[in-house]
Amino acid sequence: AQSVTQPDIHITVSEGASLELRCNYSYGATPYLFWYVQSPGQGLQLLLKYFSGDTLVQGIKGFEAEFKRSQSSFNLRKPSVHWSDAAEYFCAVGATNAGKSTFGDGTTLTVKP
Amino acid sequence: DTGVSQNPRHKITKRGQNVTFRCDPISEHNRLYWYRQTLGQGPEFLTYFQNEAQLEKSRLLSDRFSAERPKGSFSTLEIQRTEQGDSAMYLCASSRTGDYGYTFGSGTRLTVV
Repeated sequence: AQSVTQPDIHITVSEGASLELRCNYSYGATPYLFWYVQSPGQGLQLLLKYFSGDTLVQGIKGFEAEFKRSQSSFNLRKPSVHWSDAAEYFCAVGATNAGKSTFGDGTTLTVKP
Repeated sequence: DTGVSQNPRHKITKRGQNVTFRCDPISEHNRLYWYRQTLGQGPEFLTYFQNEAQLEKSRLLSDRFSAERPKGSFSTLEIQRTEQGDSAMYLCASSRTGDYGYTFGSGTRLTVV
């Protein structure tokens, strides 16, 4: 069975500071991994995805994530956070047939001015 | 591309009533997914369609829940005899075969009183 753990429920960073959101997954085969962002009252928007190849993937809005198979991790990073990045972030692992995805419980990001 | 559209945005219903939600995916997307999200949790998979065929259904989905996608375009999710525990955000997403990662709609928030 696939599962995702996001250890940090809530993170606060200052505007302009760097950000790293943690994600650990459990999956029996090569995983398909995703990060989504959700603003209040809205649906989720895909930030980036990983299937294979280069373990550092670039996404939208200046985000990147690194896949580390040995640590079963797929952490999201941004070098300089903007106030508009305040939102909830979800990591997800998907099946190879592009069916269902399993989501973590999310990390809420607060950005201090 | 008008995105994934969900209607209604909000629904308040009395316990025991039936409700139906509609999802219109991106027109060229042949896969359509339903997820449920409760406060403080990540989205939970309910079911998904490839064209008009329902390929997978979660065991979370009781017999009171049914989903259809009659012509492989829009989809409906019906909940019969609603219970307070059904209160949640119901999210629809779509994708193309082989195009991993979803486009989500803004969701339908159901409140059962």
